[in-house]
Amino acid sequence: DAGITQSPRHKVTETGTPVTLRCHQTENHRYMYWYRQDPGHGLRLIHYSYGVKDTDKGEVSDGYSVSRSKTEDFLLTLESATSSQTSVYFCAINDGSRYNEQFFGPGTRLTVL
Amino acid sequence: GENVEQHPSTLSVQEGDSAVIKCTYSDSASNYFPWYKQELGKGPQLIIDIRSNVGEKKDQRIAVTLNKTAKHFSLHITETQPEDSAVYFCAASITGTASKLTFGTGTRLQVTL
Repeated sequence: DAGITQSPRHKVTETGTPVTLRCHQTENHRYMYWYRQDPGHGLRLIHYSYGVKDTDKGEVSDGYSVSRSKTEDFLLTLESATSSQTSVYFCAINDGSRYNEQFFGPGTRLTVL
Repeated sequence: GENVEQHPSTLSVQEGDSAVIKCTYSDSASNYFPWYKQELGKGPQLIIDIRSNVGEKKDQRIAVTLNKTAKHFSLHITETQPEDSAVYFCAASITGTASKLTFGTGTRLQVTL
């Protein structure tokens, strides 16, 4: 495994509540990403970070915010969870080298009731 | 933006047979094409990748081919085994742009005895 952990691994919450998912890496990689996985859609990029305090939007960023105050941690926040945000969320990392390889964490299954 | 299409969505083969999964991409600037294998309840695992300066790459029973002119690439698995059963994803990206991946929708491969 690439030294990526995600917490929590499972969460059930109610519509309208705030939720924060955490991604932690031990590789000191520059780039970190949040994806969501839904049936029929593959994995879609939500937000990514290219350094501490440097983040940018992906293709499905509405309703999500992120923060990266340390190299090793990348947080994904749902300010007010909706049922459409029920999904499996994956964090990934990339060292930014020419090899471009991206490695994924184990995922967080989020259910919004 | 980039769009990646993947076919078939499901594939069933007998043990020992070959399996082929095909992807097409839309952005001619894409130059990095990884393949991921995802087992149930786990994160995607990088199994092989190819860059646009190479037409084919092999790693034991797995090979990937790339046709830049037609903008398609394929994954070939020979001598399939039950442990090859999983969901496979293709992806595309442009190196030097934070390595953002655009994924296909996945192929569920079932290897039967």
